[in-house]
Amino acid sequence: AQKITQTQPGMFVQEKEAVTLDCTYDTSDPSYGLFWYKQPSSGEMIFLIYQGSYDQQNATEGRYSLNFQKARKSANLVISASQLGDSAMYFCAMKRENQGGKLIFGQGTELSVKP
Amino acid sequence: NAGVTQTPKFQVLKTGQSMTLQCAQDMNHEYMSWYRQDPGMGLRLIHYSVGAGITDQGEVPNGYNVSRSTTEDFPLRLLSAAPSQTSVYFCASMRGNVRRSGANVLTFGAGSRLTVL
Repeated sequence: AQKITQTQPGMFVQEKEAVTLDCTYDTSDPSYGLFWYKQPSSGEMIFLIYQGSYDQQNATEGRYSLNFQKARKSANLVISASQLGDSAMYFCAMKRENQGGKLIFGQGTELSVKP
Repeated sequence: NAGVTQTPKFQVLKTGQSMTLQCAQDMNHEYMSWYRQDPGMGLRLIHYSVGAGITDQGEVPNGYNVSRSTTEDFPLRLLSAAPSQTSVYFCASMRGNVRRSGANVLTFGAGSRLTVL
């Protein structure tokens, strides 16, 4: 069975500093995808970044990068130069390659950015 | 494009009542899903569909029905509401799997907050 674990219920970071949000996963599938979503206090789910298990390079999207360590089964999100607007819940999720729309989510990490 | 549209945004039900949460997408996505979000538990999959006429159960399907008669619509029916179904419900859609592409993105609706008294 697939499982996503986010061990940090809450984190604080100073504005303009970088922060790493941890995510480990468990799967026996050879091909899978990993996602990070942001949920601000307004409640919507915002896609941040995607990493395929077959991708050789770590994914990057602007200030977001995914530190993908396949052997350790970790997919940590790195946010560089934190901004006050980054304060939100962050969810890690995964899916099997051929199971579109069927994501398994972690419990989330609440990030607070301090001015 | 409107993306994924959910209605209603808020609903209060009494135990035993039935209702339907509507979900529509205009992106011609093959895959559609329903999730519920409860405090401290992340999002859990209720039902999903890989195309019109095809649905399957997710992690927490009990008490919910779905159907997918068109590509665009994926309504979620609560047959007899219970307080345990108080939650925030998200509908989401995704285009077909595209290998080696960031297009494997699940797009969410704004959510529907349901309270069952």
